[in-house]
Amino acid sequence: ELKVEQNPLFLSMQEGKNYTIYCNYSTTSDRLYWYRQDPGKSLESLFVLLSNGAVKQEGRLMASLDTKARLSTLHITAAVHDLSATYFCAVVRGADGLTFGKGTHLIIQP
Amino acid sequence: DTGVSQNPRHKITKRGQNVTFRCDPISEHNRLYWYRQTLGQGPEFLTYFQNEAQLEKSRLLSDRFSAERPKGSFSTLEIQRTEQGDSAMYLCASSLVSKEAFFGQGTRLTVV
Repeated sequence: ELKVEQNPLFLSMQEGKNYTIYCNYSTTSDRLYWYRQDPGKSLESLFVLLSNGAVKQEGRLMASLDTKARLSTLHITAAVHDLSATYFCAVVRGADGLTFGKGTHLIIQP
Repeated sequence: DTGVSQNPRHKITKRGQNVTFRCDPISEHNRLYWYRQTLGQGPEFLTYFQNEAQLEKSRLLSDRFSAERPKGSFSTLEIQRTEQGDSAMYLCASSLVSKEAFFGQGTRLTVV
């Protein structure tokens, strides 16, 4: 059974600081996704990572994938309040649907 | 709006009633997925279709849950004899095969 673990599950940080969210998964996977969810809203796709060593960046967010370690990271640089949200990583194997982690609830305080 | 559309956005029902939710995917997408999300958790995969064929349904939570996609376009998710534990957000997503999935706004179900 494919399992996805994120840590931390809750993170409160100050604007301007850097931090990293970690995502571990239990078996080999075809693709890894990062999603953002605002309260009461649906999921917004941030990144799709396909291969070992893949790195993608968008604004203050950068995601990377190490398939050998079964680990992905989402790094936040110089955080701003607008990045406050819940961030999910999700993994897919074969033709199945996505298996999500429990999410990291991120609060960025001024 | 050409995104994934779900209706209704909110549904309040009494325990024991049947409910049906609708999902209209992005028009060219041949895959359609249903997920359930409870408070504080990540979405949980329920079932998916490729065109009109339901290719995975073993993850449906019980035999009270069923889904259809009769013409390979929109899909419905039905819950029969609702229970309080069914209260959750039900999310629909669509994609092309092996491509990124896009999610709808969800239907929030409250069973009272």
